[in-house]
Amino acid sequence: AQSVSQHNHHVILSEAASLELGCNYSYGGTVNLFWYVQYPGQHLQLLLKYFSGDPLVKGIKGFEAEFIKSKFSFNLRKPSVQWSDTAEYFCAVNTGRRALTFGSGTRLQVQP
Amino acid sequence: DTAVSQTPKYLVTQMGNDKSIKCEQNLGHDTMYWYKQDSKKFLKIMFSYNNKELIINETVPNRFSPKSPDKAHLNLHINSLELGDSAVYFCASSQAGGRMLETQYFGPGTRLLVL
Repeated sequence: AQSVSQHNHHVILSEAASLELGCNYSYGGTVNLFWYVQYPGQHLQLLLKYFSGDPLVKGIKGFEAEFIKSKFSFNLRKPSVQWSDTAEYFCAVNTGRRALTFGSGTRLQVQP
Repeated sequence: DTAVSQTPKYLVTQMGNDKSIKCEQNLGHDTMYWYKQDSKKFLKIMFSYNNKELIINETVPNRFSPKSPDKAHLNLHINSLELGDSAVYFCASSQAGGRMLETQYFGPGTRLLVL
C-alpha cells in the first residue's frame, strides 16, 4: 500500500527565512502529488499540485515544489516565509485509487 | 460562494448519541468524500461516493453510515457515538471519480467532540 512520509513534524522559522518541507512517498507507479495548507481553524486549501510535465511546480503565495522521481520526493519550498505562513502543511498523493493518501503533516510556526 | 460547505462546524455531544454531519458542494462535481482527521492531524479517507454510488468504504465501523441523496450532497450519520470518534471530519469533492488528474476540494471541517 502506498504511504506518504513527512519527516519534519514541527518547524520553527523566523520571518524571511527560507523554507523546505520534505515529502516522500512509497509507490512505484504514476502519481499525482499535492500540497495542501491548513491555516489555524480553517479548511484545507490547495497550495500546488503536480500531474505531469515540468517537475518544478509553482503554487499560490510564493510556494513551489519539486518532484524528483528517482527520490520519490515532492519537497515544498519558499524562499522567504512570512508570519502569515504559520499553518499545518500536508503532502498528499493520488495513485489512482480514487482517494488521497496524506502525510502526517508539518506544523510550521513563523516567528515575527 | 462557498464551494464545499459543511454543517455544523462544531458538534459537542454525549457518548451513545446519534448525530449527522451534512456536506454540500456547488462545484458540479460527481464525486464526494469523507475524511477523518485525528488528534495528531493525520487525515484518512473514510468513504467516497461517485454519482450517489459508494466507491470507497475503508475500514470504518458500521456505526458510520454515509448517505448521498444526490451528487451534490453527502451526509455522514454516526450511531452510538464513542469517545474515539472525536475528530475533525472533512468533506471533499472532485470532478469525476477521484481518478488521476483530479483535484479534491475540501470543506471547512466539522469538529466533533464526544464527551
